[in-house]
This record gives sequence, C-alpha cells and structure tokens, in this order.
Amino acid sequence: DSGVTQTPKHLITATGQRVTLRCSPRSGDLSVYWYQQSLDQGLQFLIQYYNGEERAKGNILERFSAQQFPDLHSELNLSSLELGDSALYFCASSVGLGGPYHNEQFFGPGTRLTVL
Amino acid sequence: GQQVMQIPQYQHVQEGEDFTTYCNSSTTLSNIQWYKQRPGGHPVFLIQLVKSGEVKKQKRLTFQFGEAKKNSSLHITATQTTDVGTYFCAGRTDKLIFGTGTRLQVFP
Repeated sequence: DSGVTQTPKHLITATGQRVTLRCSPRSGDLSVYWYQQSLDQGLQFLIQYYNGEERAKGNILERFSAQQFPDLHSELNLSSLELGDSALYFCASSVGLGGPYHNEQFFGPGTRLTVL
Repeated sequence: GQQVMQIPQYQHVQEGEDFTTYCNSSTTLSNIQWYKQRPGGHPVFLIQLVKSGEVKKQKRLTFQFGEAKKNSSLHITATQTTDVGTYFCAGRTDKLIFGTGTRLQVFP
C-alpha cells in the first residue's frame, strides 16, 4: 500500500459525458501528479500540482483539467469524453517539487475509465 | 519535445536467464528513476541515479546511468518468476518523463 488513494476504482460512462477522478496523496506529500496509461502503453504525464498550484504540464488535453485543494487532495476532471479517453488514470504523490534530486513518486492504485 | 525510449518493448526469458532493458533520452537528464509495474498493479519506485556513470545494485538488479546522462540500463541476473512485470525508466529534466517500458515475462 503506497498511501495514495484514488476513487473510484472503476468508472464506466458514455461519450460526451464528464467525470471527476479523485486522489488523496500520502500524508505529508505536497506534490500530486496525474498520469494516463492506455492499454499496453506507457505512462503519459498529464499535470503536476504542488501545494495547490500548478507546477508542470504534460500532454494534457484542453478537455481535461485538474486542481489541488487546500487539504492537498486533487481532482482530475475529464469532459466531452471520447472513446479514446478510455484508460487507467494514475495519481502519484511526492514530498517535494522535484529538481535534480527529484523525490520518488508514490503511485495510487489507479482509476480505470471506460468510455462506451 | 523530450522523449525517453526503452528497448526492447517485450522480453521473454526462461527462469534463471539474465535480462537487460535499455533507456535512451533525447536530452541530457538531471537524474533517472526506475519503476516496476506488476501486471494489474501500479508503478513502484525502484531506484534513482543522479551522477554521471553511476552504478547501483539491489540484490540481483544492477542499474547504470550513462556518462553523458542520456541513457541508462537495468540488468537482472538470474531472473525469477517474481521479476515479471513492466519496467519503466523515468528521466528528469524540468519534469519527469516516463519511458515506453519493457514488459518482462519469465517462464518457469
């Protein structure tokens, strides 16, 4: 158990819909990261938040948005869903910001999103 | 943009054989991390390398960071069925970019 929790575990929805994925980082971790993993694919970095502020952006679509709340939990909002958005969405957390001595990331169990 | 490629994409070995996966970045990295993802699981941190030419060992696993800090390798000696999974490198510049991964299958 990494200490990172994600809800829900599974989500099935229809094209055009909007969903929200939730992540609670490990106690004491200030950074939260979101990743997308499609079937048999690697991990695509979406976005990072540190202590409530956006710190880094990856290949995140405009239909997707995220935020980190004062209690440090984070939500990833996916809207106007398409079939291709079906994937495993991981949240990870780390103590610090990153940098040359980048902190290891602790991953949650993921949310499997299926868009029908 | 920054890319991190891994080869091979898949590797099937007999238990007891050695295994190596290679990671190559298009840009110089400040550090590199390695993660393992078991089937149906989430990535788990294995190790971080920071210095040019650094070599670290964890039991049967040996990790190397290239002199130019653009490549890395993970070598597993005498694989076991418990080594099954996908191994990802993750290279750090201004953000952490995960490699494409190598899926290892070990046959008993």
